[in-house]
Amino acid sequence: DIQMTQSPSLLSASVGDRVTLSCKASRNIYNSLAWYQQKLGEAPKVLIYDVSSLRTGIPSRFSGSGSGTDYTLTISSLQPEDVATYFCQKYYSGYTFGAGTKLELK
Amino acid sequence: QVNLQQSGAELVKPGASVKLSCKTSGYTFSSSYMTWFKQIPGQNIEWIGMIYAGDGKTGYNQKFKGKATLTVDTSSSTAFMDLSSLTTEDSAVYFCARRYSDGTHFYGWFAYWGQGTLVTVSS
Repeated sequence: DIQMTQSPSLLSASVGDRVTLSCKASRNIYNSLAWYQQKLGEAPKVLIYDVSSLRTGIPSRFSGSGSGTDYTLTISSLQPEDVATYFCQKYYSGYTFGAGTKLELK
Repeated sequence: QVNLQQSGAELVKPGASVKLSCKTSGYTFSSSYMTWFKQIPGQNIEWIGMIYAGDGKTGYNQKFKGKATLTVDTSSSTAFMDLSSLTTEDSAVYFCARRYSDGTHFYGWFAYWGQGTLVTVSS
């Protein structure tokens, strides 16, 4: 099975900061990667699919990049409403989520 | 618009079973897949399995075989998940979710989610 490892598990940042979250696959997942935002008590919401495609309605401060085994979600200017846990999900050879990065305000 | 409405929270005793529902609207249910996930609050999201509503064919995560049974009722556009022989380790939030489709293909990411059903297993 392909494992997905996210880092860091907890990230504290200030409003306006550029924030980078990492997701590493244990094998090549051929760009089959999505990013989700989950706020407390809510269902996950997809932000990015196919590594870098922005889901309709998602602010442009969110962006994704990467290839092979290494992928990144970037928030260009952190906003208070971005406080949430972020999960990556691979969809090559089954569906697996990373353990998440909890993003909080400093 | 696509909507997935899940049944309410359940408190069940160890050893019992529970049936969760996910009522859908806004798309052609019988031509789509429904996927179920488990999330212990504050933890990872696990794929349980999926069902194609058109013919009821299922696929399960090996970990949940024998624990979860997925079914559908196309007349009411509702998907169901039975969880059996419950233990405290089954206490979690369970989500139904639908993969994105452009009308021709289904993609691997999940555009639509139910609000989740909290299952608490306790004596």
